[in-house]
Amino acid sequence: ELKVEQNPLFLSMQEGKNYTIYCNYSTTSDRLYWYRQDPGKSLESLFVLLSNGAVKQEGRLMASLDTKARLSTLHITAAVHDLSATYFCAPEGIDSWGKLQFGAGTQVVVTP
Amino acid sequence: NAGVTQTPKFRILKIGQSMTLQCTQDMNHNYMYWYRQDPGMGLKLIYYSVGAGITDKGEVPNGYNVSRSTTEDFPLRLELAAPSQTSVYFCASSYVGGGLNQPQHFGDGTRLSIL
Repeated sequence: ELKVEQNPLFLSMQEGKNYTIYCNYSTTSDRLYWYRQDPGKSLESLFVLLSNGAVKQEGRLMASLDTKARLSTLHITAAVHDLSATYFCAPEGIDSWGKLQFGAGTQVVVTP
Repeated sequence: NAGVTQTPKFRILKIGQSMTLQCTQDMNHNYMYWYRQDPGMGLKLIYYSVGAGITDKGEVPNGYNVSRSTTEDFPLRLELAAPSQTSVYFCASSYVGGGLNQPQHFGDGTRLSIL
């Protein structure tokens, strides 16, 4: 069974500073997805990482995947208030085609 | 495109009642999913479907049933509602295949309380 651990679970960020969210998973996976959820809202897809070494960037967010280490990171550059949300990583198990295992989420609060 | 549409958005049920949560997608996606999200937690997969007529259990299927008679619709049935089923339910869909698995698209959710 694929297990996913996100760290930290809560992250208080100061505007303008850089931070990283870590996503470790337990079994082989070569695809991983990152989602964002605003309070009381649905989930929005941020990144799809499809292979070892994949790196995707969108604005102040950059995600990477190391399948050998079973680790994905979401890096936030120069945090701004609009990035306050909960971020989920979700790897797809190599024997679980089309099925994602969601982490518990990292709640991000950005303050001035 | 409407994407993934869920109804109702809110519902309060009494213990022992039954109801069906509706989900429709207009993106011609082959895979559809039902998740539940408890407060402060991630999503847990209840059931999923790889195409019309084919469904399979996820991580937490007990107390639920699904059917998929068409590509577009994937209703979730709760029989004999219990307080433990109080949660937010999300339906999602995606295209899976050809080595280009797309991210799942989510509906707005159904907030269900069992009292």
